[in-house]
Parts: sequence; structure tokens; C-alpha cells
Amino acid sequence: AQSVAQPEDQVNVAEGNPLTVKCTYSVSGNPYLFWYVQYPNRGLQFLLKYITGDNLVKGSYGFEAEFNKSQTSFHLKKPSALVSDSALYFCAVRRNTGGFKTIFGAGTRLFVKA
Amino acid sequence: EAGVAQSPRYKIIEKRQSVAFWCNPISGHATLYWYQQILGQGPKLLIQFQNNGVVDDSQLPKDRFSAERLKGVDSTLKIQPAKLEDSAVYLCASSSFLVEGSSSYEQYFGPGTRLTVT
Repeated sequence: AQSVAQPEDQVNVAEGNPLTVKCTYSVSGNPYLFWYVQYPNRGLQFLLKYITGDNLVKGSYGFEAEFNKSQTSFHLKKPSALVSDSALYFCAVRRNTGGFKTIFGAGTRLFVKA
Repeated sequence: EAGVAQSPRYKIIEKRQSVAFWCNPISGHATLYWYQQILGQGPKLLIQFQNNGVVDDSQLPKDRFSAERLKGVDSTLKIQPAKLEDSAVYLCASSSFLVEGSSSYEQYFGPGTRLTVT
């Protein structure tokens, strides 16, 4: 069975500091991994994905994520946080073969303080 | 490019009443998803369509929920009768044709419909 864990309900960081939002997953076979962001009163927006290839993937708004197969992790990172990055972040996973269901984590609220 | 459209944005009903939600995906997207997002949780897939066929409805409470996508474009999700625990945001998403080797696996979400059952 597939599952996604986001161990932190909330991450607090000062503006200008680097940020990390953690995600670990469990899936049989090779995973496709995604990060989505949800701003207040808006739908989820796609940030970035790992399908294959380079373990470090870059996405929108300066975000990047590193796929670590041995640790089954896909942590979201940004070198310098902005107040406008404050939002709810979801990690998601699906298998690359067979069923196409995408499983979402419970979300991590990022709060960037000015 | 127009995004995923959903209506209504908000709905308040009493328990045991019925309700319907509408979704129009991004033009050309063959795959359409309905998710339920309860406050404090991640989205949970209710049903996934490929064109007008159902790919996965394993988590759809079929005794009260139904969904259709008759012409392979827009879709409706219905709840009849509603229960208090159905209070949630219902999200519709779409993605381009889901074939292994395709480059477009990400989903594009609509703004959601916030349902309150009293």
C-alpha cells in the first residue's frame, strides 16, 4: 500500500533563512513524487515533481526537492524563505506502474516570519 | 489557458438533503479526479475518470455518493443523502492523458466547493 508522511504539522522560519519541509513515503516499486502548495481560499497548485533522473528537482517560486531513495524521502527546500511562501504544503506519491492513484500527505503549514 | 472550473464555491445543506457539484476540467485533459479534503487532512481521492470511464472509485461511498462524466469532459459529483461527516471541501482536478512515459503526471486543481452539512 502507498502512504505519505509529513512529520511536522507546522514549520516556522524567519524570512531570509533556508527552509525545509519534510516528506517520507512508502510505495512498492519506483515512485513518482510531487509537492503541491495551497494558499488560503485557493485550490492546490503544483510546485514540482520527481519522475526519474537527477535526484534534485527544481520547481516554481525557487523551491527544490531532493529525492533520496535509500531514506524514502522527498524533502522540499528553499534557500531563502519569503513571507509570501507562508502556505500549506502537501507531498504526494503514486506508483510508476499499475494503479494510478495519487496519495497525499496530511500537509505541513509553513509560517515565514518577517 | 483556462484553469479547472468548479461550482458552486460554497454550499450549506441540512443532513439527509442532496447536493451536486460541477467540474469543468482544463481543455484536452483526459483524466479527471474528485477529492474530498476534510479540515486538517490531505485530499482523499474519491473517484478518477479516464475520459468517460472510471479508473478508480475504491474510496467512493457508493451508497450515497455518485459521479458521472458522460461526454468525457465535465463531471458532476452528487451526494444523496448527505451526512454531517460529509462536511468538507470537494476538489476537482485534471491531468493530461495518463499513459506511462507521458511527461504530464501533475494534477491541476480547481478552487474547490466548501460543503457544510448541518
